[in-house]
Amino acid sequence: SQTIHQWPATLVQPVGSPLSLECTVEGTSNPNLYWYRQAAGRGLQLLFYSVGIGQISSEVPQNLSASRPQDRQFILSSKKLLLSDSGFYLCAWSVQTTQGRSYGYTFGSGTRLTVV
Amino acid sequence: GEDVEQSLFLSVREGDSSVINCTYTDSSSTYLYWYKQEPGAGLQLLTYIFSNMDMKQDQRLTVLLNKKDKHLSLRIADTQTGDSAIYFCAESPYSSASKIIFGSGTRLSIRP
Repeated sequence: SQTIHQWPATLVQPVGSPLSLECTVEGTSNPNLYWYRQAAGRGLQLLFYSVGIGQISSEVPQNLSASRPQDRQFILSSKKLLLSDSGFYLCAWSVQTTQGRSYGYTFGSGTRLTVV
Repeated sequence: GEDVEQSLFLSVREGDSSVINCTYTDSSSTYLYWYKQEPGAGLQLLTYIFSNMDMKQDQRLTVLLNKKDKHLSLRIADTQTGDSAIYFCAESPYSSASKIIFGSGTRLSIRP
């Protein structure tokens, strides 16, 4: 069966420090991978998605970047965190069909980031 | 454009039915989803409906799709305290093959 792992679960970082959140998927190959951010009490904002190794699409300009060094690994990074980067970060994966379409997301358990 | 809208809050009495509504804009969407998020957790896929269906029932959950009005609803029968959560509607638009667009979520609270 497929599983998705996301860590750490919680993180408190000072302003200006770097960030690295990691997400890995097991039990599937060539998944679509996604990073979402959820601000307190609000909906989901898609930050990045990837349809293959080294292929990253950015949805919103921001202080963050993403990388996919391996098929089932997705990393969210920042060189210098801002207060506004605080939030709940969710990684997700989906099946990629032969037509390149995606259906159904499976989410990780999330990382709560507090920038102080 | 792609947009999914939901009301932010819903309060129901325990044992009553809850109906959470959603509207979407992309008529080409192939799948429509309902996700549940409990406090501090990730999102859990509850159910989904393919765009050529009008209704789907799964135990206490009933999904209704009105393609003409681009309206999706989730009915939870016999609502329990464990149903307290945020419920997200989402669509898979044909124009954005790799993405799923989420609504802002409806917070369901249960009163005794």
